[in-house]
Amino acid sequence: GNSVTQMEGPVTLSEEAFLTINCTYTATGYPSLFWYVQYPGEGLQLLLKATKADDKGSNKGFEATYRKETTSFHLEKGSVQVSDSAVYFCALFNAGGTSYGKLTFGQGTILTVHP
Amino acid sequence: GAVVSQHPSWVICKSGTSVKIECRSLDFQATTMFWYRQFPKQSLMLMATSNEGSKATYEQGVEKDKFLINHASLTLSTLTVTSAHPEDSSFYICSALHHPIGGEQYFGPGTRLTVT
Repeated sequence: GNSVTQMEGPVTLSEEAFLTINCTYTATGYPSLFWYVQYPGEGLQLLLKATKADDKGSNKGFEATYRKETTSFHLEKGSVQVSDSAVYFCALFNAGGTSYGKLTFGQGTILTVHP
Repeated sequence: GAVVSQHPSWVICKSGTSVKIECRSLDFQATTMFWYRQFPKQSLMLMATSNEGSKATYEQGVEKDKFLINHASLTLSTLTVTSAHPEDSSFYICSALHHPIGGEQYFGPGTRLTVT
């Protein structure tokens, strides 16, 4: 079946530090990959996505590259801000099988950025 | 981007009563919506898949008679928590499938349910 494993948190950084949150996946075929962000007390917002190998998704200074050879989709940002403090979820969508439409989520990584 | 709304954003109800939560896709049609439950500091737990015009598909362990789902139109799905108990207190989030091929889902802002 499908599964997503995220780097365990929480992650605490100082403002302007470099961020990496690791995400690896297991799936058959060619899944689409996503990063979602959840701010306190809110729902999830789509941060970026990649639908095929070697695609790079990017948004708001965040980026992630779909690496099929290492089954990874690591999230990076060169210089984090306090406003980036949130929970980040890596997710996978696989059109095949009986899981139509469903997303498989990682466990989430809490990021806290200090001034 | 695509927008999904939820109403109410928070609700407090007494034990034994029922609560209805609405999920709307505001600027696109969604034949498929999803309902999730989230406990503090945890990931989302998929409860059910809501399909317009047909019965919802519930995940294993979710009581379909307790969590009634109705997908009445291409833009509206409702979740009714029947005979609510304190253990049903949680954060409920819906999402709408925007791109059936690419799998893109857009999420509502969530509903905080507290049962006293």
